[in-house]
Amino acid sequence: AQRVTQPEKLLSVFKGAPVELKCNYSYSGSPELFWYVQYSRQRLQLLLRHISRESIKGFTADLNKGETSFHLKKPFAQEEDSAMYYCALSGNNNDMRFGAGTRLTVKP
Amino acid sequence: AGITQSPRHKVTETGTPVTLRCHQTENHRYMYWYRQDPGMGLRLIHYSVGAGITDQGEVPNGYNVSRSTTEDFPLRLLSAAPSQTSVYFCAIRVGGEGYEQYFGPGTRLTVT
Repeated sequence: AQRVTQPEKLLSVFKGAPVELKCNYSYSGSPELFWYVQYSRQRLQLLLRHISRESIKGFTADLNKGETSFHLKKPFAQEEDSAMYYCALSGNNNDMRFGAGTRLTVKP
Repeated sequence: AGITQSPRHKVTETGTPVTLRCHQTENHRYMYWYRQDPGMGLRLIHYSVGAGITDQGEVPNGYNVSRSTTEDFPLRLLSAAPSQTSVYFCAIRVGGEGYEQYFGPGTRLTVT
């Protein structure tokens, strides 16, 4: 069974500090991993996907198959990064499972 | 991607049937229903990989779905329970190899 674990429900950092949101997964096949973000009063939207190896809004995430992790990182957090972040995994059966989410607060 | 949900808010009593609607306008094959609860994240209820095909997700009990057309994917609660108070999101898969899920605006359901 596929599972996504985000161990931190809440994360608070100061503006300009580095931030890392953790995501671990379990899946027997080759997963596709995603990070989604939900800003206040907005719909959930894709932030980045691992196959694209892209950086969006300064965020990056590297898939580590050995550690089964897909942590989201940003070297210098901004106040506008405050939001709910969800890690998600899509397997071979076309469903997509999400973690419980981490609420990031960036303090001025 | 055009995806709408209705109603946006609903309050209903325990035991009543409820239908949450999801409509898309761009002929996407894959559609999903999630519920979002504090501390639980998004949990997949049911999903569909095309008209006439549905499958269960993580928390299907108490919910039914059907996919008679590509455009519509209604979620039915045959007998609403307080534990089904939640925010419900419909999503479609968009894109090919670089796909993503595109979410609707959500329906806030309260069961009293």
